[in-house]
Amino acid sequence: NAGVTQTPKFQVLKTGQSMTLQCAQDMNHEYMSWYRQDPGMGLRLIHYSVGAGITDQGEVPNGYNVSRSTTEDFPLRLLSAAPSQTSVYFCVIRSSTGELFFGEGSRLTVL
Amino acid sequence: RKEVEQDPGPFNVPEGATVAFNCTYSNSASQSFFWYRQDCRKEPKLLMSVYSSGNEDGRFTAQLNRASQYISLLIRDSKLSDSATYLCVVNFYNQGGKLIFGQGTELSVKP
Repeated sequence: NAGVTQTPKFQVLKTGQSMTLQCAQDMNHEYMSWYRQDPGMGLRLIHYSVGAGITDQGEVPNGYNVSRSTTEDFPLRLLSAAPSQTSVYFCVIRSSTGELFFGEGSRLTVL
Repeated sequence: RKEVEQDPGPFNVPEGATVAFNCTYSNSASQSFFWYRQDCRKEPKLLMSVYSSGNEDGRFTAQLNRASQYISLLIRDSKLSDSATYLCVVNFYNQGGKLIFGQGTELSVKP
């Protein structure tokens, strides 16, 4: 996972709380994205960004907010957590040659 | 219809068996394709890229059928260590370059 820093690894929230998952890279790649993974559902795209100042929605964007003010950082915000957002979250970065780099994952539980 | 679909399995096979997975995609303009392996919901690891001409890496063979819009992964002489979830990944270049993962196919190789 060299070059990708995803935090936190584990988090427990109460319904209605807010939090931010952080994803940072030092590889200068343009494409950054967030996925959630639930049993039997694979990785589903939440939001993605093709460069600083540009973000777009994926398959399951509701309840999540992103911004891309720098090339290095792509935080994912949960403004009001719900139990349905209990999941494992992955930050995925793509190089210009198509190589993918994954964060280690963040296990989020919303009570 | 999902943009990328896989048979979730599980596929339960004995050691030494040959097993094949398919992954269908909906967008004919998709440009690049990959197979990833995921263990115990850790971050996925690249198994192999999929090229139009087909490609082989030891016991693993990947093929692309653009006419029918699917990719396949063949594993020969299955090992216990092949037990994992196999994810196909499609790069949709005409949709901002977003990456879509299939839901994964679970393989269990038994002694």
